Amino acid sequence: QKEVEQDPGPLSVPEGAIVSLNCTYSNSAFQYFMWYRQYSRKGPELLMYTYSSGNKEDGRFTAQVDKSSKYISLFIRDSQPSDSATYLCAMNTGNQFYFGTGTSLTVIP
Amino acid sequence: GAGVSQSPSNKVTEKGKDVELRCDPISGHTALYWYRQSLGQGLEFLIYFQGNSAPDKSGLPSDRFSAERTGGSVSTLTIQRTQQEDSAVYLCASSGGTSGIETQYFGPGTRLLVL
Repeated sequence: QKEVEQDPGPLSVPEGAIVSLNCTYSNSAFQYFMWYRQYSRKGPELLMYTYSSGNKEDGRFTAQVDKSSKYISLFIRDSQPSDSATYLCAMNTGNQFYFGTGTSLTVIP
Repeated sequence: GAGVSQSPSNKVTEKGKDVELRCDPISGHTALYWYRQSLGQGLEFLIYFQGNSAPDKSGLPSDRFSAERTGGSVSTLTIQRTQQEDSAVYLCASSGGTSGIETQYFGPGTRLLVL
């Protein structure tokens, strides 16, 4: 079983839709939970990170962590074509980081 | 620019040749990571440098892979006797802290193709 599981998609939504991206994990020792956005032929860019269970909001993005279920989500409100990218979840124990395989998202104008 | 830079951006080599990939981290960042990203796979951790400490090499897939970091700054990842399965994007990231919770800033990657 992989440490981090993420549905690769692809996910295609119309502009303005709410997008939900999810990851599950198996290691209860994970400390921080991160979401990265990766555009084609670019390196991943950190969007948000959270520590505790609950929600964290930043503009149109909301990160949610449920440690009891070992489940994390990223919600994108009012999705834009510029949000089209691959989204990777990541989590760490100390200096070891574990990444999901990424979900490919396309927002259609 | 102040970001992480990597060179070359693309590398095509023949099976059996050695390759060197370079990473210039953000100035002052003490931590440096190498990852490998293959199509349909997540980021695979390769090696981690933190300051002057011994590197964490636990992710290197074989003894054909090695890395060094000179002067606590620039890092070179070397792959000897390349194989076709080494074809991937090699990403470098740096961060400023020692705790591992610091933001990792990624470079654009080196796309390696082994023929």
